[in-house]
Amino acid sequence: NAGVMQNPRHLVRRRGQEARLRCSPMKGHSHVYWYRQLPEEGLKFMVYLQKENIIDESGMPKERFSAEFPKEGPSILRIQQVVRGDSAAYFCASSPSAGGADTQYFGPGTRLTVL
Amino acid sequence: AQSVTQLDSQVPVFEEAPVELRCNYSSSVSVYLFWYVQYPNQGLQLLLKYLSGSTLVKGINGFEAEFNKSQTSFHLRKPSVHISDTAEYFCAVSRGSNYKLTFGKGTLLTVNP
Repeated sequence: NAGVMQNPRHLVRRRGQEARLRCSPMKGHSHVYWYRQLPEEGLKFMVYLQKENIIDESGMPKERFSAEFPKEGPSILRIQQVVRGDSAAYFCASSPSAGGADTQYFGPGTRLTVL
Repeated sequence: AQSVTQLDSQVPVFEEAPVELRCNYSSSVSVYLFWYVQYPNQGLQLLLKYLSGSTLVKGINGFEAEFNKSQTSFHLRKPSVHISDTAEYFCAVSRGSNYKLTFGKGTLLTVNP
């Protein structure tokens, strides 16, 4: 049973370009979460999605960031017009249901570097 | 709002020595507690979690943690570490039906020969 998959593992962008990060949840999981890990920091919640719906984007910056989880295909985290401060590791997690007690299974992350 | 404090950013130990990684949380309501491990350039792997019941929780790779409600702590322990335990360890908390995990800043455990 494959775990959570993320690609690319490493992404380099120049300031002003767009970054697209992909996440395929574990089989049977319909709940997807995105977290960001800045250097020397713990992970911070960004957004929670179910198929075709954004449930909670309270941790997402108001501008330039967007997320989707279409009916078919992976979840996408999109960052437009990247800036150096966007350099971080972005982790996706999935779970079979959503609640405080449910285990979230994490992918290997995408490490974004903005030059 | 809840928060998680991991008191030590780095813990160096020798192989076969015992280790304790400390975690304190703040929350006015009941919480669920988790420890995750992150090996270099990998994602987070769940070590163990506390939901309810026995305050001593056993996890994978010989780790265990004890929930102490009066001290709002959830310290992680291993009686004898191996070189392969070298990794970053994160304590996390969630609350009630809220799916959001709040993470500490992590503790880098380095096991030396």
